[in-house]
Amino acid sequence: GAGVSQSPSNKVTEKGKDVELRCDPISGHTALYWYRQSLGQGLEFLIYFQGNSAPDKSGLPSDRFSAERTGGSVSTLTIQRTQQEDSAVYLCASSPAPGGPYEQYFGPGTRLTVT
Amino acid sequence: AQRVTQPEKLLSVFKGAPVELKCNYSYSGSPELFWYVQYSRQRLQLLLRHISRESIKGFTADLNKGETSFHLKKPFAQEEDSAMYYCALIGSGGSNYKLTFGKGTLLTVNP
Repeated sequence: GAGVSQSPSNKVTEKGKDVELRCDPISGHTALYWYRQSLGQGLEFLIYFQGNSAPDKSGLPSDRFSAERTGGSVSTLTIQRTQQEDSAVYLCASSPAPGGPYEQYFGPGTRLTVT
Repeated sequence: AQRVTQPEKLLSVFKGAPVELKCNYSYSGSPELFWYVQYSRQRLQLLLRHISRESIKGFTADLNKGETSFHLKKPFAQEEDSAMYYCALIGSGGSNYKLTFGKGTLLTVNP
């Protein structure tokens, strides 16, 4: 079946602009996660959704970052007033339910470059 | 706080040689440990997890709670094993959904 998909695959933006990154999880997966992969920092957790609710936003690095999920499916990560340090690969993952027994399936990522 | 340490950024071995990728963790409870792999131009994928005690693609990993380690081993490396390997854990408490990753080890298997 179809895996997790993300769009765009690459995004180049100017400093100060807003960007939206999209994630389509595997159908039926209730849990959705965003991670960021950057040089020096490795893979970091950003936010977790269970259904449309985000019980854990603790990894969002600043209030310029926000995310939503609608219909228990598609999620959008928005970064306002982008900065150069936001340049990274943003990964989305989904799992049938939250918790360790459930494998998290990752998307291909969106490579964001802020110039 | 939970933390995963992979001491080697780069590891290079010859085909047919044994390989061991080291992983140490810090967590006060009983975590679940995982190894994820990312081959060139492919997405991150689960390789194995300690609770399943499986051998995947010839790789094994044993959780050593005394040494807080979860090293990944393969007796005879193959060129197709060349990839980025990440050790990760999920805690057993309230945040038992959040993967905490090490910074990864880039394995190169030379012919």
